[in-house]
Amino acid sequence: GNSVTQMEGPVTLSEEAFLTINCTYTATGYPSLFWYVQYPGEGLQLLLKATKADDKGSNKGFEATYRKETTSFHLEKGSVQVSDSAVYFCALSASNSGYALNFGKGTSLLVTP
Amino acid sequence: EAGVVQSPRYKIIEKKQPVAFWCNPISGHNTLYWYRQNLGQGPELLIRYENEEAVDDSQLPKDRFSAERLKGVDSTLKIQPAELGDSAVYLCASSLDSTRRTGELFFGEGSRLTVL
Repeated sequence: GNSVTQMEGPVTLSEEAFLTINCTYTATGYPSLFWYVQYPGEGLQLLLKATKADDKGSNKGFEATYRKETTSFHLEKGSVQVSDSAVYFCALSASNSGYALNFGKGTSLLVTP
Repeated sequence: EAGVVQSPRYKIIEKKQPVAFWCNPISGHNTLYWYRQNLGQGPELLIRYENEEAVDDSQLPKDRFSAERLKGVDSTLKIQPAELGDSAVYLCASSLDSTRRTGELFFGEGSRLTVL
């Protein structure tokens, strides 16, 4: 079946540091890939997405590139801010599962001043 | 525009008691989802509705869980009787059918259930 594996947290960084959160997936066919974010006290919200190989999703300074050869969708940001502290979830959807979102376990990020 | 509204935000009950969660999706969103998120885990789909029809309930534990979406708008998720392992955050999400395939779901803040 489809699955998503992302790096364990928590990740603690100083402000302006470079961020990478690794995500790899297993799926049949051609899934769409997503990063969702959950800020403290708020609901999950879509951060960025990529629907086909080599697509790059970007939003709020975050980027992730859909790499079919390595089945990866790593999240990156060049300079994190305290306001980026949140839990980040990698997810996929595929036609063989009715396009239901299949989430990873989440990675908690804490950015300190 | 109002987002997805869930209630209650928090619920503490003793095992074997019933509990119900309510969700009001974004206006016009015909697809509604219930997810369960255990501590330290990602959300897992319980049931998906297209309008008032449950089109995917394969992960819903039907011996104790039930859900309904009357008139294709609000939805209720019920657990009866609750067990200790049901402690989790229950998330409701909605989407337009056109955006469902692109993965753009809108989530509520969740209902946190603690079973003692």
